[in-house]
Amino acid sequence: GAGVSQSPRYKVAKRGQDVALRCDPISGHVSLFWYQQALGQGPEFLTYFQNEAQLDKSGLPSDRFFAERPEGSVSTLKIQRTQQEDSAVYLCASSPVEDQPQHFGDGTRLSIL
Amino acid sequence: GENVEQHPSTLSVQEGDSAVIKCTYSDSASNYFPWYKQELGKRPQLIIDIRSNVGEKKDQRIAVTLNKTAKHFSLHITETQPEDSAVYFCAASRNTGFQKLVFGTGTRLLVSP
Repeated sequence: GAGVSQSPRYKVAKRGQDVALRCDPISGHVSLFWYQQALGQGPEFLTYFQNEAQLDKSGLPSDRFFAERPEGSVSTLKIQRTQQEDSAVYLCASSPVEDQPQHFGDGTRLSIL
Repeated sequence: GENVEQHPSTLSVQEGDSAVIKCTYSDSASNYFPWYKQELGKRPQLIIDIRSNVGEKKDQRIAVTLNKTAKHFSLHITETQPEDSAVYFCAASRNTGFQKLVFGTGTRLLVSP
């Protein structure tokens, strides 16, 4: 498919475990964003990459959250020592160039027990 | 930082009626305003967007208006159909593809046959 792909679609983890969420952007898209969407809320910005450079990580809620995009394509969002408040849908979006809109993936629904 | 407010939170209309959703933003530097439709468990999908150099944009039954002076923009859906039922999010950004989106809290639209 040509869209943004995220995996896994669902992830259940026990509190204290580490999790890793993957995003495959549309091929050739330069920018990549991660958003967190709590139940019944709008997506909230976490971090932004332009190619492999992480240009903005101001939305990451704590130092337990870490994102990388080492080769400028696939990105991984890692959450260490998960807590219940981390339960949310994590959305990835990508854009090809500056004047084109962001396209979203289906997200990963993370549930922390 | 940017703050986007969205009203109403829920909107129920009869099939064939019009629906209007309103958003206000706080950052006068914002110049890009997309609207996303999100069905349950699915990705946000861009339905229309507008840039600050344009006051109105229309695409078939959907239109968006922007008032930069008042810092508000609205989504208008005419001749609503049951398949229009979803959650709609407005967003604001200082750029299109290279800047984070700040989302409103969403409007749940229900179109009854």
